[in-house]
Amino acid sequence: GAGVSQSPSNKVTEKGKDVELRCDPISGHTALYWYRQSLGQGLEFLIYFQGNSAPDKSGLPSDRFSAERTGGSVSTLTIQRTQQEDSAVYLCASSLATGFINQPQHFGDGTRLSIL
Amino acid sequence: TQLLEQSPQFLSIQEGENLTVYCNSSSVFSSLQWYRQEPGEGPVLLVTVVTGGEVKKLKRLTFQFGDARKDSSLHITAAQPGDTGLYLCAGVGRSGNTPLVFGKGTRLSVIA
Repeated sequence: GAGVSQSPSNKVTEKGKDVELRCDPISGHTALYWYRQSLGQGLEFLIYFQGNSAPDKSGLPSDRFSAERTGGSVSTLTIQRTQQEDSAVYLCASSLATGFINQPQHFGDGTRLSIL
Repeated sequence: TQLLEQSPQFLSIQEGENLTVYCNSSSVFSSLQWYRQEPGEGPVLLVTVVTGGEVKKLKRLTFQFGDARKDSSLHITAAQPGDTGLYLCAGVGRSGNTPLVFGKGTRLSVIA
């Protein structure tokens, strides 16, 4: 497709389970970003990739969160031993090239994660 | 840590009214972006402002970047129901090599 694709669109799981969220960026976009948006809140930066490497992992909330990107394309965000506070919308975005100045980020529609 | 404060947090107005939302920080940003997000969708970029004092117009929307590049405003003239959504500002740090910093957004509702 032409835009950023995320799957699943909705995920409901029990506390303690692991979840894997997927992001398929726009073809040719080298930079990929993960954000978390809680109800009524803005976007919280989690991690970004330039190619397959992640220069900045400082936004990951805990060591239960990890992300990888392979082939410079698809990325997965994994949350282990989920907690109720992990419930949120997880948004993925991609952009061209390096650096952040003037680079518009193109967002997917997110994965709405609910932890019971 | 760079923070962006947006105000008001919520705004409900009648169709045809004008409004202004604000995005403020104590930090200097190399540029600011404005996004609009509709329910169930990701944010969509509206504009990027780069130069202090810059004014950009997008139909009925006017964006301004403060002279000191610490603040920005979005003015909507003659609001329409289609303007309803969450408006987010996002700043790029001075180095240009740090992730975007997002404000919490202004949730606008335009009533017909």
